[in-house]
Amino acid sequence: DARVTQTPRHKVTEMGQEVTMRCQPILGHNTVFWYRQTMMQGLELLAYFRNRAPLDDSGMPKDRFSAEMPDATLATLKIQPSEPRDSAVYFCASGFEVSGRAFFGQGTRLTVV
Amino acid sequence: GESVGLHLPTLSVQEGDNSIINCAYSNSASDYFIWYKQESGKGPQFIIDIRSNMDKRQGQRVTVLLNKTVKHLSLQIAATQPGDSAVYFCAENKIQGAQKLVFGQGTRLTINP
Repeated sequence: DARVTQTPRHKVTEMGQEVTMRCQPILGHNTVFWYRQTMMQGLELLAYFRNRAPLDDSGMPKDRFSAEMPDATLATLKIQPSEPRDSAVYFCASGFEVSGRAFFGQGTRLTVV
Repeated sequence: GESVGLHLPTLSVQEGDNSIINCAYSNSASDYFIWYKQESGKGPQFIIDIRSNMDKRQGQRVTVLLNKTVKHLSLQIAATQPGDSAVYFCAENKIQGAQKLVFGQGTRLTINP
């Protein structure tokens, strides 16, 4: 049963520390999304990749966030330095370019203290 | 601009009844409209999607209706079960150019025994 895998599932870190979240998209999918979910803002799109190339990261704070796809099996989202307001659940999703649907991972719950 | 919103934040129905969850959208250029279900502690799960050139699509116990005239999307769940309790999100996806999968705020569906 193919699924998107995210690690870690939970992360608690101190303000100012670097945080790296990883995502393994479903094999063969050519689009990858990063979302942040909070009670106040709901699901916010942070970044979008197609065929490993970043197409849209307009939703991401550029000064501290970065998203990359080193290869087709790995997407990363980094926060440096982290701040308490970054506390949220971060989701990765993958899909096919020509389809409307995306498949989500279980998320990384980040707490910055 | 692009926005997807929901008419009601909460909905309670009796087990066995039919549920209707509504959603309004504003981007006429979207190619797909999608419904997701999110259970507590999990990532959003794809339910059903509909292309912008269709007005109805049926799945197993679910039907999605699209009214482009009034920019309205609805999800009908037949014979609701306790397992249907979750937050339901509508989303829209434009697959040409800078693809964005944009989510609404969500409706919490509660099934009463």
